[in-house]
Amino acid sequence: DTAVSQTPKYLVTQMGNDKSIKCEQNLGHDTMYWYKQDSKKFLKIMFSYNNKELIINETVPNRFSPKSPDKAHLNLHINSLELGDSAVYFCASSLQGRKSYEQYFGPGTRLTVT
Amino acid sequence: AQSVTQLDSQVPVFEEAPVELRCNYSSSVSVYLFWYVQYPNQGLQLLLKYLSGSTLVKGINGFEAEFNKSQTSFHLRKPSVHISDTAEYFCAVSARTGNQFYFGTGTSLTVIP
Repeated sequence: DTAVSQTPKYLVTQMGNDKSIKCEQNLGHDTMYWYKQDSKKFLKIMFSYNNKELIINETVPNRFSPKSPDKAHLNLHINSLELGDSAVYFCASSLQGRKSYEQYFGPGTRLTVT
Repeated sequence: AQSVTQLDSQVPVFEEAPVELRCNYSSSVSVYLFWYVQYPNQGLQLLLKYLSGSTLVKGINGFEAEFNKSQTSFHLRKPSVHISDTAEYFCAVSARTGNQFYFGTGTSLTVIP
């Protein structure tokens, strides 16, 4: 059973297009995250939602908009894609209120903007 | 806020040799500490975590880490590495009262046959 899943796994698109990445978790977690991993493997937090409420919103261009329809889903929509958006995007989830706070990661979505 | 420094960006090691991957953190509050592994073209997988109690933490695949509060370190060790350990390793810290992770820049471990 997949704990945190993302679709699509690969996404190739042209500059200026709009695209979405979907994330779903079946762990019963209440907090979900989006990370961006660049070509040097550096992981940067972008957003976090707790019970559908935005709690972390790092310095990210307005072209990126997260949407959480329910606790199990967190989607990422990107408008007017740019070359610099090419990266691997990871979704993660965790259960707040517990002592562990560990995050569970999805397999990633490799976005290539041409 | 917290921060993490992984002192080595690349660590080559021969198969069956021991390895240590270094991690230092900075925080003004008590923290939880984690090590994650990322195999090629995959997501991150939790190796081990320190929450409280014993400072020596054992994880999966024979890895262990030791929390040293005075040196603000959480180094990862394995006594004998295998080819399959070749991967990117990330140290992470979170405040006990927060929900945000801060990741280090990663250490690329390459096991040489």
